[in-house]
Amino acid sequence: SQQGEEDPQALSIQEGENATMNCSYKTSINNLQWYRQNSGRGLVHLILIRSNEREKHSGRLRVTLDTSKKSSSLLITASRAADTASYFCATDGGSYIPTFGRGTSLIVHP
Amino acid sequence: NAGVMQNPRHLVRRRGQEARLRCSPMKGHSHVYWYRQLPEEGLKFMVYLQKENIIDESGMPKERFSAEFPKEGPSILRIQQVVRGDSAAYFCASSPSTPPTEQYFGPGTRLTVT
Repeated sequence: SQQGEEDPQALSIQEGENATMNCSYKTSINNLQWYRQNSGRGLVHLILIRSNEREKHSGRLRVTLDTSKKSSSLLITASRAADTASYFCATDGGSYIPTFGRGTSLIVHP
Repeated sequence: NAGVMQNPRHLVRRRGQEARLRCSPMKGHSHVYWYRQLPEEGLKFMVYLQKENIIDESGMPKERFSAEFPKEGPSILRIQQVVRGDSAAYFCASSPSTPPTEQYFGPGTRLTVT
């Protein structure tokens, strides 16, 4: 079964709006990572957040982690059409191999 | 510095044939991971290898699938006697150190079994 599950499955917004995606997981983790996948391409690493961190920023990306709720969120501010992609969270679930969820499909309309 | 390279990008095999997928990790990376992705699904871990060693193959089907990462040359994922259910995108990733760490993904090989 999936360790991390993203929500929503799909998100459609206008350029300039913010996009928020959530990830829930079941077992304790050491790290949680977010990746992006453009259609037909490999995954690109976005951010790694450790279990003792609560928030991390990278450019227009903001990731939060709430280990008490076993959840994380990815916020993309001022979205652009080029942000259109699928976004996956990956948790290590106590082992060291990241386990990926099914992803959130984000469409940003110009 | 070239990224992770996979070839072929697309592979079509008839049922019963063998499929060989190749992955060259990023320069300086000695850790390789193979994942399988079905349409509309996330990536499913298959196997983690270091040079000449299989570290974790817990996600690999017990039959027909094998992987290697020789001292010289690319990592190979081999699927014998392919069936239609093997049709998927197979991604390879590499890292410079032991996990947990950022992984760098290749563009994938899309296998179609007819």
